[in-house]
Amino acid sequence: DGGITQSPKYLFRKEGQNVTLSCEQNLNHDAMYWYRQDPGQGLRLIYYSQIVNDFQKGDIAEGYSVSREKKESFPLTVTSAQKNPTAFYLCASLGRGRAGANVLTFGAGSRLTVL
Amino acid sequence: QKEVEQNSGPLSVPEGAIASLNCTYSDRGSQSFFWYRQYSGKSPELIMSIYSNGDKEDGRFTAQLNKASQYVSLLIRDSQPSDSATYLCAVNRNRGSTLGRLYFGRGTQLTVWP
Repeated sequence: DGGITQSPKYLFRKEGQNVTLSCEQNLNHDAMYWYRQDPGQGLRLIYYSQIVNDFQKGDIAEGYSVSREKKESFPLTVTSAQKNPTAFYLCASLGRGRAGANVLTFGAGSRLTVL
Repeated sequence: QKEVEQNSGPLSVPEGAIASLNCTYSDRGSQSFFWYRQYSGKSPELIMSIYSNGDKEDGRFTAQLNKASQYVSLLIRDSQPSDSATYLCAVNRNRGSTLGRLYFGRGTQLTVWP
């Protein structure tokens, strides 16, 4: 089955540590996205990539980094520079749905807690 | 001005009633409009997409789009307790291209009580 796989599902980190969240898709989608969600909040865009080896900052990129070396993979690194990293992180990809329009599909999410 | 605005709620309706969720957007060039449902602790799932003015029905769900008023809504008929979730409105300037990004509202929390 095609889909988006995020790992780990839960992650605990000590302050000052970098962590990397994995996102893999087998939907053959070109565009991939990372969102952050805080309790009671909507989705805030961190980074997105529309093609391999290229990515753009979203609305809250500070303290995060990404790479896009393969079409299927778009890992997110939460660096120690991110002041408040505890959140729910969602990876998504954008591809053709019915009627030829683009549809965003989400992974199951990774919940990061800083101790 | 935010790109996409929704009433945060919470919206509370009795079982069997019609729940009405509203969303406005600022970019007149927007072409694609989506409603996502998100259960607590889970990722959003697409429930409706709409691209043309008017109504689109899918089971108990009806999406309504008015591009002149920059307004999109979601009606849930015969609401069930299992519909209790946060509903996110999303808007994209593109339709057939995967360029660009979606803009999300903050979501409306819906509670359907038995």
